[in-house]
Amino acid sequence: DTAVSQTPKYLVTQMGNDKSIKCEQNLGHDTMYWYKQDSKKFLKIMFSYNNKELIINETVPNRFSPKSPDKAHLNLHINSLELGDSAVYFCASSPSGGGEGAKNIQYFGAGTRLSVL
Amino acid sequence: GEDVEQSLFLSVREGDSSVINCTYTDSSSTYLYWYKQEPGAGLQLLTYIFSNMDMKQDQRLTVLLNKKDKHLSLRIADTQTGDSAIYFCAENPSGGYQKVTFGIGTKLQVIP
Repeated sequence: DTAVSQTPKYLVTQMGNDKSIKCEQNLGHDTMYWYKQDSKKFLKIMFSYNNKELIINETVPNRFSPKSPDKAHLNLHINSLELGDSAVYFCASSPSGGGEGAKNIQYFGAGTRLSVL
Repeated sequence: GEDVEQSLFLSVREGDSSVINCTYTDSSSTYLYWYKQEPGAGLQLLTYIFSNMDMKQDQRLTVLLNKKDKHLSLRIADTQTGDSAIYFCAENPSGGYQKVTFGIGTKLQVIP
């Protein structure tokens, strides 16, 4: 069973379109994240939710809107896609509390490669 | 502020040791991590070290932490072709679910 799964794996779309990426984790974790990895492999955090509440919101255009219907899901909706949005988007999750939670060990999905034409 | 720096590329021969270096700026970092990313995959935790430790060994992996110089290294003994990947250094200033800052990643190429 895949621990953190993202769909779709590949997404090719035209500039100006709206698209969503879904993420689900079956690890029972409380915290979920979205990261963007650009073509140079630089990994930057975008958002983080803990128990459906937004806790990290980096400087991301408001065209990006995360939604967490429950603590096992964190979806990312992107409006009016631009060429610069082309990247690999990673979802991750981590437990909270003590033990592994205190260490903030993150479990990553396989990524969604978004190409905006 | 947080900043994590790594060299971009390392090439070693199979069987040799690899040493990947990282420097960070936040002296309050609680946990420091090494993640591995294979082609087409997400990041996977390799190992981590708590800030009150100097060294941690786990099979072929040895992590060294120099808090004074804010320097972290990962040594892979007897490097194999399967170790070819991108290795990310990361820091977590306060522990818990706060922001983890990743370095840019070091691409390790293992030559057979």
